[in-house]
Amino acid sequence: EVQLVETGGGLIQPGGSLRLSCAASGFTVSSNYMSWVRQAPGKGLEWVSITYSDGSTHYTDSVKGRFTISRDNSKNTLYLQMNSLRAEDTAVYYCARSRIAVADPLDYWGHGTLVTVSS
Amino acid sequence: DIQMAQSPSSLSASVGDRVTITCRASQSINNYLNWYQQKPGKAPKLLIYAASSLQGGVPSRFSGSGSGTDFTLTISSLQPEDFASYYCQQTYSIPYTFGQGTKLEIK
Repeated sequence: EVQLVETGGGLIQPGGSLRLSCAASGFTVSSNYMSWVRQAPGKGLEWVSITYSDGSTHYTDSVKGRFTISRDNSKNTLYLQMNSLRAEDTAVYYCARSRIAVADPLDYWGHGTLVTVSS
Repeated sequence: DIQMAQSPSSLSASVGDRVTITCRASQSINNYLNWYQQKPGKAPKLLIYAASSLQGGVPSRFSGSGSGTDFTLTISSLQPEDFASYYCQQTYSIPYTFGQGTKLEIK
């Protein structure tokens, strides 16, 4: 059974750093595209970042230079390193797997982890 | 960036109604369009991928259509468990933008 479990969220002051983890089971992270998607309180979904199976990475403009997506194949785990955090980064962060199919749909999602950036 | 305009932003309907939600892309995205359902406090769930392909396990009352810039999600006969928020997402080009969502409420 495919499962994704995010950890690492919490309350952090503006300018601080957090690393989110997403432990995967039932499939191999390195063989799939893996994404982070966030949702600010009461708002819609926002795509944040993706890592492809070839190791390439992409980000939405608002996090470029501050966030880094990576994976540890030995632990079958996806990460999101978040630096220079801002109030507008406050959101539930979901990791998600792309199904190997046309349009790379996000077919499995974690339960999410809440990041609150506030002083 | 490709903008995804979803409409309506909210919708009231009754059990048994036929409902259509639309999503318009700011440029052609071929069929690189996916639809998700989200219930409060839960992660999104994939319903439709590649504009019209039904994800496994999703009831056949859900269907998707469209290509290019205009897409629709149709629920043929609303069931109580369908009252939720719905999002489209384009995966044609980075950043993989979502529509702003449609909240489907009970009338």
